[in-house]
Amino acid sequence: EAQVTQNPRYLITVTGKKLTVTCSQNMNHEYMSWYRQDPGLGLRQIYYSMNVEVTDKGDVPEGYKVSRKEKRNFPLILESPSPNQTSLYFCASSFSERVYTEQFFGPGTRLTVL
Amino acid sequence: DQQVKQNSPSLSVQEGRISILNCDYTNSMFDYFLWYKKYPAEGPTFLISISSIKDKNEDGRFTVFLNKSAKHLSLHIVPSQPGDSAVYFCAASGEAGKLIFGQGTELSVKP
Repeated sequence: EAQVTQNPRYLITVTGKKLTVTCSQNMNHEYMSWYRQDPGLGLRQIYYSMNVEVTDKGDVPEGYKVSRKEKRNFPLILESPSPNQTSLYFCASSFSERVYTEQFFGPGTRLTVL
Repeated sequence: DQQVKQNSPSLSVQEGRISILNCDYTNSMFDYFLWYKKYPAEGPTFLISISSIKDKNEDGRFTVFLNKSAKHLSLHIVPSQPGDSAVYFCAASGEAGKLIFGQGTELSVKP
């Protein structure tokens, strides 16, 4: 089944404790992206990657890191999480970086930073 | 500075009637627009898109209209069905890889 998977789905952590949210797709997509969803703000793009070893900042990259060492995986790293990073996070992928191609989203990761 | 705005947080319509969801944008460089639909506890799913060179795109019950002079797009759902109840996000792009979303509108279709 074609899908984007994220792990963990739920995470409660404390300020300053490094964490990684994994994202993996099995569709051989070149493009991958991370978003966060917050009430009243919709979805905001954090980072995106047009191909292996190529990453770029979205609208809200501060406090996040990403890497794209292989095509299928695009982990989101929070080196020192803070409470304002409490949010619902989505990973997405698509065949091309041209956004008119459909992006497939993962199920989301709900992160709470205490 | 919200470049894509959905000013109605919620909309309620009767089954069988038309649902109209609106979206405004400020950046005239946007050249592609999309609508995504989101059910609770799931990721968004792509619904329909439109290029800035067109003013209308239709897919079954869903039609997106683009008014470039007004920097406004709308999604029409006819006829609305209870299964259409979800949050709808409009999104826009003006450069490769970047996608700007609106705040979302929660549609409730009542039987």
